[in-house]
Amino acid sequence: QVQLVQSGAEVKKPGASVKVSCKASGYTFTSYGISWVRQAPGQGLEWMGWISAYNGNTNYAQKLQGRVTMTTDTSTSTAYMELRSLRSDDTAVYYCARVTYYDFWSGPDYWGQGTLVTVSS
Amino acid sequence: DVVMTQSPLSLPVTLGQPASISCRSSQSLVYSDGNTYLNWFQQRPGQSPRRLIYKVSNRDSGVPDRFSGSGSGTDFTLKISRVEAEDVGVYYCMQGTHWPPFTFGPGTKVDIK
Repeated sequence: QVQLVQSGAEVKKPGASVKVSCKASGYTFTSYGISWVRQAPGQGLEWMGWISAYNGNTNYAQKLQGRVTMTTDTSTSTAYMELRSLRSDDTAVYYCARVTYYDFWSGPDYWGQGTLVTVSS
Repeated sequence: DVVMTQSPLSLPVTLGQPASISCRSSQSLVYSDGNTYLNWFQQRPGQSPRRLIYKVSNRDSGVPDRFSGSGSGTDFTLKISRVEAEDVGVYYCMQGTHWPPFTFGPGTKVDIK
């Protein structure tokens, strides 16, 4: 069965960086992409960006350009999301989610369990 | 970016009764390939989101048939024919037609009266 297992919760100081991992299993990793979505406490869902696990192509949300980097390691079927220059309003649960290539615009079909990132001095 | 709105934002329902959530987009969601990429997600309390419906009316595998989606252009609806206790949570519509970015509605919280 398809599983996306994310790394554990993180506490960071303002200005620091965080790198969240997402290990995929149960499918051919390079045949799908990974989207990252975050959810601030008590708030809705915000799309952060996408990476193709096939060729590493990325597309990031405009508001995060310059602060976010998404990568993959095909040898371990793991996707990573690094966010730099953290601010308090980056405090959120970060989700990775699988997207298909052939029906990309239908959005993610499987989601990870989420990783809470807390930014606090 | 395309703005998604939902109504109501809070929906108390009686078990066994129907429920309906409206979603509207600031632009038509008809894509150049003829498809309409309006999708619905459910987020139960303390859980990750789960896709329920894609391309307006297609149920994902394992989604009960009491869930149905309809609509066209800019106006869409998610209906639950008979609400069960496990349906409590927040429901989000999301457009993919005008990616990037994917944009979500603000969410509709469904709970039991």
